[in-house]
Amino acid sequence: DTGVSQNPRHKITKRGQNVTFRCDPISEHNRLYWYRQTLGQGPEFLTYFQNEAQLEKSRLLSDRFSAERPKGSFSTLEIQRTEQGDSAMYLCASSPQGQGRDYGYTFGSGTRLTVV
Amino acid sequence: AQKVTQAQTEISVVEKEDVTLDCVYETRDTTYYLFWYKQPPSGELVFLIRRNSFDEQNEISGRYSWNFQKSTSSFNFTITASQVVDSAVYFCALSEHNSGNTPLVFGKGTRLSVIA
Repeated sequence: DTGVSQNPRHKITKRGQNVTFRCDPISEHNRLYWYRQTLGQGPEFLTYFQNEAQLEKSRLLSDRFSAERPKGSFSTLEIQRTEQGDSAMYLCASSPQGQGRDYGYTFGSGTRLTVV
Repeated sequence: AQKVTQAQTEISVVEKEDVTLDCVYETRDTTYYLFWYKQPPSGELVFLIRRNSFDEQNEISGRYSWNFQKSTSSFNFTITASQVVDSAVYFCALSEHNSGNTPLVFGKGTRLSVIA
């Protein structure tokens, strides 16, 4: 297990289409986070899971966005009816739950979405 | 509510100069973690350091050093003898813990350009 894996790396889609991204976290980490990063900005929190439970959703997560982590392992983020404003880098991170010595966030390489 | 401010949007230095990146944070929690991440042009967020609120010792790692001052709510990052490979966007981030591990909140980042 070498880190957090995200697929695809790049996605170009037409406005109005649906897209789905996948994130495979570090296997020992029970927390998984989704962030969105637009050009020139820091990553913005979207949602996170502890095991299969979705614990928090940001106001940025409109009704067109949905995330799942059905078995507490990998997660998917779906965007329905994409808009040009959805163009961004979507980052996934995982972390252990506790505050021990190994607490920290490991980020994947991200999925860059371009809506045309 | 938690907030991270990185007032410097862009910094340019000549190779071998020292440079300090500022980070000021806001939190009501007494237990929290502060992070610095590096984002090179490839886009992946690279973990640099984690510091918890009870450990105010400054840390040095090679050419990197961090100055944590709770009195001024600052966690500044200094690169000594900068190199071209240090060119990247650097993010400071905060996670609160009094009521559980909250998702990371990032600053807007500082773009560092090191010129040969």
